[in-house]
Amino acid sequence: NAGVTQTPKFRVLKTGQSMTLLCAQDMNHEYMYWYRQDPGMGLRLIHYSVGEGTTAKGEVPDGYNVSRLKKQNFLLGLESAAPSQTSVYFCASSPGHPYQETQYFGPGTRLLVL
Amino acid sequence: QQPVQSPQAVILREGEDAVINCSSSKALYSVHWYRQKHGEAPVFLMILLKGGEQKGHEKISASFNEKKQQSSLYLTASQLSYSGTYFCGTEKIQGAQKLVFGQGTRLTINP
Repeated sequence: NAGVTQTPKFRVLKTGQSMTLLCAQDMNHEYMYWYRQDPGMGLRLIHYSVGEGTTAKGEVPDGYNVSRLKKQNFLLGLESAAPSQTSVYFCASSPGHPYQETQYFGPGTRLLVL
Repeated sequence: QQPVQSPQAVILREGEDAVINCSSSKALYSVHWYRQKHGEAPVFLMILLKGGEQKGHEKISASFNEKKQQSSLYLTASQLSYSGTYFCGTEKIQGAQKLVFGQGTRLTINP
């Protein structure tokens, strides 16, 4: 099993450009999450999904959109990138309720917005 | 609301002990601990549930004090491989479906 994979690994964007980050998991997990990690800020939840076709906002959702059309995939979109969105983005998945289940993280995507 | 971790950073010599704390201003249902090595993804260590027992994983253990709304991670006789940034993730109610992570504690183990 590949676990959780993220595409791309690294990307440079110009301000105003758009892009989509893809997260895929092969563990048949119900829950999926998108986080951003900035120095000294820890992991902050952007959006999450508790099942195919569902999405919900996290702590820092502004400027991002998500879709979960298939259970194994969770897409994060930036419609108009801004320098403040320069960060490392992690996707994670878990089998069910987080309070009893660990979250499995992908390797991360480094995004630089110029 | 983000839990607060302390200390923010700690430097130890191999074999020394360390304690990392995670405090919340609100009641917690569960606390999850993760370790992240530089340039890698966070990796799960353990979960502590309200009313549950102290947990252990080799020389790494943790406790959860519900009254103080605090969890502590204990690293005993630290090894070089323990270096990394430790995060606590908290859940305030059962079934909240998401965690709120602290800002992290950077642990450096020197030979």
